[in-house]
Amino acid sequence: GQQVMQIPQYQHVQEGEDFTTYCNSSTTLSNIQWYKQRPGGHPVFLIQLVKSGEVKKQKRLTFQFGEAKKNSSLHITATQTTDVGTYFCAGNTGGFKTIFGAGTRLFVKA
Amino acid sequence: DGGITQSPKYLFRKEGQNVTLSCEQNLNHDAMYWYRQDPGQGLRLIYYSQIVNDFQKGDIAEGYSVSREKKESFPLTVTSAQKNPTAFYLCASRNRELGTQYFGPGTRLTVL
Repeated sequence: GQQVMQIPQYQHVQEGEDFTTYCNSSTTLSNIQWYKQRPGGHPVFLIQLVKSGEVKKQKRLTFQFGEAKKNSSLHITATQTTDVGTYFCAGNTGGFKTIFGAGTRLFVKA
Repeated sequence: DGGITQSPKYLFRKEGQNVTLSCEQNLNHDAMYWYRQDPGQGLRLIYYSQIVNDFQKGDIAEGYSVSREKKESFPLTVTSAQKNPTAFYLCASRNRELGTQYFGPGTRLTVL
């Protein structure tokens, strides 16, 4: 079945360092979404990418959708302690099911 | 996020008992979902419903049941047939136009 693989599983960074998480789908996606889950909390929608090669920015966060619409990345520049949490990618193929990646858990050391 | 409520936040049950988790939304979304999350793990789809009176099994439906009698409500019953029910349960609804999901605060179920 359709799978969305996300790496790395964990990432420890020093505050101020950059961070990137990658997402790869076994099938072409109609769109990809990114969510953030703070420790003890629930996933919160960050952004959706729809177009091939699309790049979107939210302050220090940069999101990319691959040309083939099968991969995506989230890059955080100069991490802060408030960035701590788990980042999930989630892919849609046009139906009602959204396939979530396993998430990348980010730890930021002050 | 806002507009989806789950209750209770924490729930303790004895092994062998059925338990029903509540999920209510006032976002007027047609589609609703139930996910299970284990510590340090991702989200696994239990059931989803596209419209009232209709629902489909997700990837891990065994030991769970749902109903969708009202658009606003999608309760999940964890039955005694679920072998390892202790987990964090998340309910979500989906914006049809945008395709994005909005999650409730979750229920942490512990079966003793």
